[in-house]
Amino acid sequence: EAGVTQFPSHSVIEKGQTVTLRCDPISGHDNLYWYRRVMGKEIKFLLHFVKESKQDESGMPNNRFLAERTGGTYSTLKVQPAELEDSGVYFCASSQDYGSGEKLFFGSGTQLSVL
Amino acid sequence: AQSVTQLGSHVSVSEGALVLLRCNYSSSVPPYLFWYVQYPNQGLQLLLKYTTGATLVKGINGFEAEFKKSETSFHLTKPSAHMSDAAEYFCAVMGFGNEKLTFGTGTRLTIIP
Repeated sequence: EAGVTQFPSHSVIEKGQTVTLRCDPISGHDNLYWYRRVMGKEIKFLLHFVKESKQDESGMPNNRFLAERTGGTYSTLKVQPAELEDSGVYFCASSQDYGSGEKLFFGSGTQLSVL
Repeated sequence: AQSVTQLGSHVSVSEGALVLLRCNYSSSVPPYLFWYVQYPNQGLQLLLKYTTGATLVKGINGFEAEFKKSETSFHLTKPSAHMSDAAEYFCAVMGFGNEKLTFGTGTRLTIIP
């Protein structure tokens, strides 16, 4: 069974450019989460999808970030325009069951560097 | 509100020595507690979790952790370190009925041959 897949693994862009990160969850997982780790700090929750609906987007930093999950399958996270402070590792996770924690599967992350 | 504090961003132990990674939490509701590990170029992997019941929980690769409510702690231990344990470890808390994980800042574990 394929795990959670994230593309690209690394992205280097200049300030002001646009970047789109993609996450393919495990097939059949209705719950999809985005987290972010800024260097040296904790991993922070960004948002939670249930199928194609945003269940909780309280962690999204500002309106430069747009997350979508059309059709309830893969998700994209677009940053437009990117700023220096957006640099970090963006993790995606998926689960079939709500709230259990133990059945949450993480991808290997996308390392975003904004220069 | 929930928070997690991991003492020591870097910990080094000799191969065969005890591993102790510290985690303290705060939570306004009974917490679910987790330890995740991230090996280089890999995603976060669940090591172990505490939800209810026995306060000493065992995880993969010989790790265990004890939930101590009076100390609001959930320290991770392993009796004998292996070289393969070198990784970054994250403690996390999830409130009951709350889907979000709140993570600590992580502890990078180095094993000295």
